[in-house]
Amino acid sequence: QQPVQSPQAVILREGEDAVINCSSSKALYSVHWYRQKHGEAPVFLMILLKGGEQKGHEKISASFNEKKQQSSLYLTASQLSYSGTYFCGILLSSGSARQLTFGSGTQLTVLP
Amino acid sequence: DGGITQSPKYLFRKEGQNVTLSCEQNLNHDAMYWYRQDPGQGLRLIYYSQIVNDFQKGDIAEGYSVSREKKESFPLTVTSAQKNPTAFYLCASSTMAGEANTEAFFGQGTRLTVV
Repeated sequence: QQPVQSPQAVILREGEDAVINCSSSKALYSVHWYRQKHGEAPVFLMILLKGGEQKGHEKISASFNEKKQQSSLYLTASQLSYSGTYFCGILLSSGSARQLTFGSGTQLTVLP
Repeated sequence: DGGITQSPKYLFRKEGQNVTLSCEQNLNHDAMYWYRQDPGQGLRLIYYSQIVNDFQKGDIAEGYSVSREKKESFPLTVTSAQKNPTAFYLCASSTMAGEANTEAFFGQGTRLTVV
């Protein structure tokens, strides 16, 4: 049930853009995105609910394609502070229990 | 200030011993989670609980046990049956908005080392 994230790692120069993908083999109810700095707790970025909406947070935005059971996180004009590991977490549509399951993460490094 | 607190931050355990990791939240959240993180790996779900006195196994529950006697507390016991317990453990909590959980708040983690 673990979502699949891609790429596993990406290296950028400041000001460049990046896309991180998250896909599930099962129908999704919602997708969460978090960023974790080394040795710290993950920090919430945004939630997307089924309905294909897109959300934005400054220069970080995300989309949710319910039909494809995929979500993508877009980082535009990246800053040094964007470095970290990005995780997507999913809640599945089936079942009454809400099990928040995370992908294996995408390590993003922004260089000056 | 509201938040989620894990203790201790670092924990050393001898092989064959059980050890309990504490997780307390004062956010009035219904749902609580325990995750394990190994170096360079993602967050793997150990146990989760949606309400008091109820909890469910996650993907890697073997060798772990939990209790949820109070809404605020969700302690995790790493038993001697867990073959490779050295890892970073994260506790999280969230509330429900309709049918969906809202954002999860994470504690600062406990780094457990077996010596």
